[in-house]
Amino acid sequence: GNSVTQMEGPVTLSEEAFLTINCTYTATGYPSLFWYVQYPGEGLQLLLKATKADDKGSNKGFEATYRKETTSFHLEKGSVQVSDSAVYFCALSDSAGNQFYFGTGTSLTVIP
Amino acid sequence: EAGVAQSPRYKIIEKRQSVAFWCNPISGHATLYWYQQILGQGPKLLIQFQNNGVVDDSQLPKDRFSAERLKGVDSTLKIQPAKLEDSAVYLCASSLVLWGLAKTDTQYFGPGTRLTVL
Repeated sequence: GNSVTQMEGPVTLSEEAFLTINCTYTATGYPSLFWYVQYPGEGLQLLLKATKADDKGSNKGFEATYRKETTSFHLEKGSVQVSDSAVYFCALSDSAGNQFYFGTGTSLTVIP
Repeated sequence: EAGVAQSPRYKIIEKRQSVAFWCNPISGHATLYWYQQILGQGPKLLIQFQNNGVVDDSQLPKDRFSAERLKGVDSTLKIQPAKLEDSAVYLCASSLVLWGLAKTDTQYFGPGTRLTVL
């Protein structure tokens, strides 16, 4: 079946450090892939998405590339800020768009 | 543009009691989702509506959970009777496009209802 596996947290980085949060998936067909973010006290919101292989999603300095050969969608940012402290969820929707699967989330804390 | 509204924000009940959650999606959004998020886990999709029809409810424990979306707008999720393992945050989300196109569309989430079953 379909599933998403995220690297476990929590992750603590100093400001301006490089961030990578690993995400791998299992799916049949051609899923779409997403990163959602949940800031403290707020609801989940879409950070970026990619709908086909080799697509790169990007937003707010974050990037992730849909790699079908490695079934991965790792999230990266070159220089994190304190305001990036949040929980990040990797997710996929199946080919039909009927089912959505979220990873367990990775908590990121950025310290000044 | 107003976001997805949910109420109540918090609910504490005894096991075997009943509880209902309400969701008002973004105006004009055709698709509505209910998720269950247990502490330390990612959201798990329970049911998906397109307008007022159910698209998928394969993950909904139908012996105790029910949901409806009257007139294709607001939705309620009910648990009757509640069990200890139902303690979780219940998230409602909506998206603009119709079923079949929803795989690429952005879901907008409400703040959630935190349920504690004692």
